[in-house]
Amino acid sequence: SAVISQKPSRDICQRGTSLTIQCQVDSQVTMMFWYRQQPGQSLTLIATANQGSEATYESGFVIDKFPISRPNLTFSTLTVSNMSPEDSSIYLCSVSITGQGYDQPQHFGDGTRLSIL
Amino acid sequence: DAKTTQPNSMESNEEEPVHLPCNHSTISGTDYIHWYRQLPSQGPEYVIHGLTSNVNNRMASLAIAEDRKSSTLILHRATLRDAAVYYCILKRSGGAQKLVFGQGTRLTINP
Repeated sequence: SAVISQKPSRDICQRGTSLTIQCQVDSQVTMMFWYRQQPGQSLTLIATANQGSEATYESGFVIDKFPISRPNLTFSTLTVSNMSPEDSSIYLCSVSITGQGYDQPQHFGDGTRLSIL
Repeated sequence: DAKTTQPNSMESNEEEPVHLPCNHSTISGTDYIHWYRQLPSQGPEYVIHGLTSNVNNRMASLAIAEDRKSSTLILHRATLRDAAVYYCILKRSGGAQKLVFGQGTRLTINP
């Protein structure tokens, strides 16, 4: 399995500002994903972070609001831009391990708890 | 993606078995059945997955109906630490690796 570290673990931000969340994995992985979990809700996939190319966004999420970088096989960042109170959520990074087949489990970080005032 | 249906909540007692049901009547032949759980204040944690046959691991057992339209996650002897939201998710083999989470079942364990 992979150990995933997310930074920061929590933050309180002012509306209109941006925050960059980091996801570091202790081993090389093929796939990295970013999810959002709004208060009391289930997880929703924001995008798949692709190494060396633009992220693949799900319906309802756009690059201008949630720019994503993935410079290598162990690291990715998600930026939440121009934040509003509606962006108050938990943001989670997950990874899928390299070379173990398509039905392998994903591993999740513990998330970044973001509150917007 | 094929959809799953789970009860919103279930309750059980400590040290008793727990059977968590999941219906997936539109499952396709290449969909794997995955179970994850999310403990309070943590990210989801993989529990078990299977395709057609029943599966066992150190955490749980997965019983899959013969027609694959439903499955049951079995916790053989629940502890307080098993209190979590349990998600049943279908993931297509060879397809996109993303997970589509439903609302899951919130499991409460009584001491």
